[in-house]
Amino acid sequence: AQTVTQSQPEMSVQEAETVTLSCTYDTSESNYYLFWYKQPPSRQMILVIRQEAYKQQNATENRFSVNFQKAAKSFSLKISDSQLGDTAMYFCAFIPANAGGTSYGKLTFGQGTILTVHP
Amino acid sequence: KAGVTQTPRYLIKTRGQQVTLSCSPISGHRSVSWYQQTPGQGLQFLFEYFSETQRNKGNFPGRFSGRQFSNSRSEMNVSTLELGDSALYLCASSLARAGDGYTFGSGTRLTVV
Repeated sequence: AQTVTQSQPEMSVQEAETVTLSCTYDTSESNYYLFWYKQPPSRQMILVIRQEAYKQQNATENRFSVNFQKAAKSFSLKISDSQLGDTAMYFCAFIPANAGGTSYGKLTFGQGTILTVHP
Repeated sequence: KAGVTQTPRYLIKTRGQQVTLSCSPISGHRSVSWYQQTPGQGLQFLFEYFSETQRNKGNFPGRFSGRQFSNSRSEMNVSTLELGDSALYLCASSLARAGDGYTFGSGTRLTVV
């Protein structure tokens, strides 16, 4: 069974600054995908960034980037130039790459980190 | 293109009643998954459907059921509602490969009184 841990229940940052959210996971799978989702007060979960475990290069999407350390099973999210609209709950999630059998559709989520961006 | 649509947005039901929630996936997405989100338990997987077949199920009692229609729309049903079923129910659709990522709807907020 996989587990995902987000050790920071809450974080805050000033507008325009940089913040890093932490995520660690545990799995015996050799290949898998990791995601960061954002859930603003509107409730809709929005995919921020994804990482394939077999790719060494860290994923980047505009102001969002990850630091993926496969050996350490760590997957942190860095938000640069923080904006007020980044205020939301952020979830780290995992799914095996060959999502067959008991893994179909089953994302395993961390408990989430509430990020507040202050003006 | 249209996103994942969940209806209704809010629902208030009485203990013992049953409820049906609906999810329309993104056009072309054949996989639909359901999740329950509560403050205490976080996001928990309910089940996943693909081409009208349930491929995976989470650890929820049999009161929770679902189905998927030929147009990929999905419904989930909860019978004999309990106070603990109060939650945000999220639906997600995908092209069905793990790495495609999942697009979520805005959820249905169910309150059981």
